[in-house]
Amino acid sequence: AQSVTQLGSHVSVSEGALVLLRCNYSSSVPPYLFWYVQYPNQGLQLLLKYTSAATLVKGINGFEAEFKKSETSFHLTKPSAHMSDAAEYFCAVSSNSGYALNFGKGTSLLVTP
Amino acid sequence: DTAVSQTPKYLVTQMGNDKSIKCEQNLGHDTMYWYKQDSKKFLKIMFSYNNKELIINETVPNRFSPKSPDKAHLNLHINSLELGDSAVYFCASSQELVTEAFFGQGTRLTVV
Repeated sequence: AQSVTQLGSHVSVSEGALVLLRCNYSSSVPPYLFWYVQYPNQGLQLLLKYTSAATLVKGINGFEAEFKKSETSFHLTKPSAHMSDAAEYFCAVSSNSGYALNFGKGTSLLVTP
Repeated sequence: DTAVSQTPKYLVTQMGNDKSIKCEQNLGHDTMYWYKQDSKKFLKIMFSYNNKELIINETVPNRFSPKSPDKAHLNLHINSLELGDSAVYFCASSQELVTEAFFGQGTRLTVV
């Protein structure tokens, strides 16, 4: 089954520092991969997606992710953290059937002044 | 206009009651979903409907019954509510296959 593992349930960075959130996938076929963000008491918003086009994917709010097949990774980065980036981040992979997303356990990002 | 809307946003009810959560999408998508987010924020697929047809039915108690009257609506009915059903339930939609899913704001269900 397609699955993702997010390393680190909590990540803390200083405002202006690099953000790096890790995601590794397990897939028997070329995967569709996603990063979603969830702000408190809100739904999930898509940050970016990989659908087998360019391996470096740019998303909203200055985030990007690189698909590395050799490392089975899809890590999320942002050069400079803002206070407003504090949220829960989820990596997800499309299921075998293509009719669902399988989510990682999430990483809570804390941004300190 | 909200793309995927759920009602109610909050639902507090007693054990044993029956309740429904409604979901509507105005994106013209073919596929709709229900996800459950537990207290540790883990998101798990419950049901997936494509063109009103049930595609995915994960190991969910049969007290949970989805109903899709048309492509734009997917409601979730829960019978005999239990304490363990307390969670946030998210509705979502996408085109036929999941290239991007749009989520509603969630319904926080609390069973007391």
